[in-house]
Amino acid sequence: EIVLTQSPGTLSLSPGERATLSCRASQSVISSFVAWYQQKPGQSPSLLIYGASSRATGIPDRFSGSGSGTDFTLTISRLEPEDFAVYYCQQYGSSPYSFGQGTKLDIK
Amino acid sequence: QVQLQESGPGLVKPSEILSLTCTVSGGSINTYYWNWIRQPPGKGLEWIGYIFHSGSTNYNPSLKSRVTISLDASKNQFSLNLSSVTAADTAVYYCARDAYGAMGYWGQGTLVTVSS
Repeated sequence: EIVLTQSPGTLSLSPGERATLSCRASQSVISSFVAWYQQKPGQSPSLLIYGASSRATGIPDRFSGSGSGTDFTLTISRLEPEDFAVYYCQQYGSSPYSFGQGTKLDIK
Repeated sequence: QVQLQESGPGLVKPSEILSLTCTVSGGSINTYYWNWIRQPPGKGLEWIGYIFHSGSTNYNPSLKSRVTISLDASKNQFSLNLSSVTAADTAVYYCARDAYGAMGYWGQGTLVTVSS
């Protein structure tokens, strides 16, 4: 099973700043099958990024994903107030699919 | 736009079977992968398993001995059965459909509490 470790656990930033979230896999993820999700309190997760770097439909271009192998990054170029939430990475290249423990992005 | 809606009991007794159904609207269940994911209160996400439209399944080994996912194309629904539940199975249960291989469409989730 591939274990995903996200860092930091909590990231405190201000609107307008740049956010960089990390996701490290315990072994290489096949075909960069990594996704990123955003979850706001009381809501379901929503897909932001798939295939490590492709934005899902309707996702603003301030969200970008990068990485390959075992190291993946989600970058939010300029934080908007609605971006403060919990973010999860997920690998779907190998079964069982697995999620990271999440990074909470909160307002400084 | 495809929509998913979970339904089922919100309270299940220990050792009994947790049964949930996901109803799909706005699209056919006769394609794609259909997943169940859960999230214990205040914690992270755990993938439970999926069923393909053909009926083939893939389960998380951590739950495999207790999980069954099935599909009813005539009702555009798929279901989750989890047996021998304990308090550790208390969670919000989500159903989701794949998009580009990832979980592109999610239901709103349903909280299931295991308690006597």
